[in-house]
Amino acid sequence: DSGVTQTPKHLITATGQRVTLRCSPRSGDLSVYWYQQSLDQGLQFLIQYYNGEERAKGNILERFSAQQFPDLHSELNLSSLELGDSALYFCASSFPDWGNEQFFGPGTRLTVL
Amino acid sequence: AQKVTQAQTEISVVEKEDVTLDCVYETRDTTYYLFWYKQPPSGELVFLIRRNSFDEQNEISGRYSWNFQKSTSSFNFTITASQVVDSAVYFCVTNAGGTSYGKLTFGQGTILTVHP
Repeated sequence: DSGVTQTPKHLITATGQRVTLRCSPRSGDLSVYWYQQSLDQGLQFLIQYYNGEERAKGNILERFSAQQFPDLHSELNLSSLELGDSALYFCASSFPDWGNEQFFGPGTRLTVL
Repeated sequence: AQKVTQAQTEISVVEKEDVTLDCVYETRDTTYYLFWYKQPPSGELVFLIRRNSFDEQNEISGRYSWNFQKSTSSFNFTITASQVVDSAVYFCVTNAGGTSYGKLTFGQGTILTVHP
């Protein structure tokens, strides 16, 4: 158990819908990262937050957004969903951010029908 | 931009064999970290080892060992006396410094199957 929690574990929705994925980092970790794992793209970095502020952005679509709250939990919002958004979404946390290993949550498997 | 290449897509071994997973990375950074992560069939990503770019000393941790050679940009990972529980996808990973902070760049993964 990495100490990072993600909810829900599975999510099935339809095209055009909007969903929210939730992540709670390990106790004491200030950085939260979101990654997407799909068969065609592999594991890709989406976005990083550090103590409530956006720190780095990867190839995150404009339809996707995220935020980190004062209690350090984070949410990833996916809107106008398309079939291609079906993937495993991981949250990770670390403290401090650069150089330290990131600890990953169990992931949320999103299926868009 | 960082790039990680794992030459082996799949490896199949019999239990107790030693297995080496190859990894080559590309970066313009002078300071960086390299990692190996494991993704067992259950799906979670598990951190295994970390090495920074200033330390080329190779180490052994239990049945795991790694060979970091900066001159060839390689970071190979060896499992000694493999076990069925080692069956998983193994990812070679690097981070980006500077403005990319903690972003991790993953290789495409090597599927390791250990047969009893």
